Amino acid sequence: DAGVIQSPRHEVTEMGQEVTLRCKPISGHDYLFWYRQTMMRGLELLIYFNNNVPIDDSGMPEDRFSAKMPNASFSTLKIQPSEPRDSAVYFCASSTSGTGGELFFGEGSRLTVL
Amino acid sequence: GIQVEQSPPDLILQEGANSTLRCNFSDSVNNLQWFHQNPWGQLINLFYIPSGTKQNGRLSATTVATERYSLLYISSSQTTDSGVYFCALPLGNRDDKIIFGKGTRLHILP
Repeated sequence: DAGVIQSPRHEVTEMGQEVTLRCKPISGHDYLFWYRQTMMRGLELLIYFNNNVPIDDSGMPEDRFSAKMPNASFSTLKIQPSEPRDSAVYFCASSTSGTGGELFFGEGSRLTVL
Repeated sequence: GIQVEQSPPDLILQEGANSTLRCNFSDSVNNLQWFHQNPWGQLINLFYIPSGTKQNGRLSATTVATERYSLLYISSSQTTDSGVYFCALPLGNRDDKIIFGKGTRLHILP
């Protein structure tokens, strides 16, 4: 079975540009999570969805960040406009409540904002 | 909210040594997971262990939920065990909001 699929794997962009990160969760999983990893702050939960509905976005750093999940097999995390401090690895993970929340991660999207 | 503390923060060992990594948490939890982040950045599930003991090859984990800690044991360590080990658990009374400890960075010397 395919795992969580993220794209792009690497993105280098200039400050002020819009960045869109994409995630396809594992089929049948009803939870989707976006995490950000930096050296300073470790792994931070940004937002998570259940059945395509955002449940908690309290970790989203500011209004420049937005996330959507239009259907059960696709989610996006958008940063507009991007800033150098947004440089990080962004991970998507999915789980099913049927297993009590065991998370499975994608390989991450490494973002560099110049 | 719940506090998660992992120890030690860093560990350097010779290949073949055994190690014990600890995860303390401040409140009762219904699930707990251990992950390994390898040097390439991939986060790999090791154990889903809300309570009891599980073993997988050279690795085993024990969670004592009533005493609010979990231990990850690595025996006969290999260089491929290097990386960062995280425990992850639910925040407060929301079983679905999973947060991570700061991790233990393990470096196995050949």
